[in-house]
Amino acid sequence: DTAVSQTPKYLVTQMGNDKSIKCEQNLGHDTMYWYKQDSKKFLKIMFSYNNKELIINETVPNRFSPKSPDKAHLNLHINSLELGDSAVYFCASRSTWTSGSGNTDTQYFGPGTRLTVL
Amino acid sequence: DAKTTQPPSMDCAEGRAANLPCNHSTISGNEYVYWYRQIHSQGPQYIIHGLKNNETNEMASLIITEDRKSSTLILPHATLRDTAVYYCIVRVGRISGNTPLVFGKGTRLSVIA
Repeated sequence: DTAVSQTPKYLVTQMGNDKSIKCEQNLGHDTMYWYKQDSKKFLKIMFSYNNKELIINETVPNRFSPKSPDKAHLNLHINSLELGDSAVYFCASRSTWTSGSGNTDTQYFGPGTRLTVL
Repeated sequence: DAKTTQPPSMDCAEGRAANLPCNHSTISGNEYVYWYRQIHSQGPQYIIHGLKNNETNEMASLIITEDRKSSTLILPHATLRDTAVYYCIVRVGRISGNTPLVFGKGTRLSVIA
């Protein structure tokens, strides 16, 4: 069973199109994220949702609109795609727990969606 | 969150221990050291974390210096499947709040047969 799944795995599209990427987690976590990994391999946070509410929006263009229909899903819709949007997009969910080192959290990442804009 | 410094790349012979260093000289008292790795074409994977004591789990060991300004991730018997980019991340560890992970460039570990 895949803990965090994303669809599609690959997405090739033309500039100006609108596309969506779906993410689902079956871990029962309350918090989910979208990260973007660009061609230079830098991973950066885009959005964070907690219990279906937007918590973090890291200066992402408003062409990107996350939507969380329920706690298990966080989808990413992108309008008017641009060449610079080409990247790998990772969804993640967050587990919080207490260990010998105190309170902490662990993030579980999906397999990624490679978006190519032509 | 404090910044970290890692060597850009390292090699390790298969079966040997891989020791990956990380400097975090500006770490605050309430910040933890986390390690994640990213195998090619996959999402990042949690490895281990610690505050000030050394930690060990089924994947690795984490050694944190007494002054907490640096740490070392140890993979005791590296295999080819451990070839990946390893990220050392310093951040506040808390259940409340919503601090995302801030990834640096990491260390590209190549395990060689």
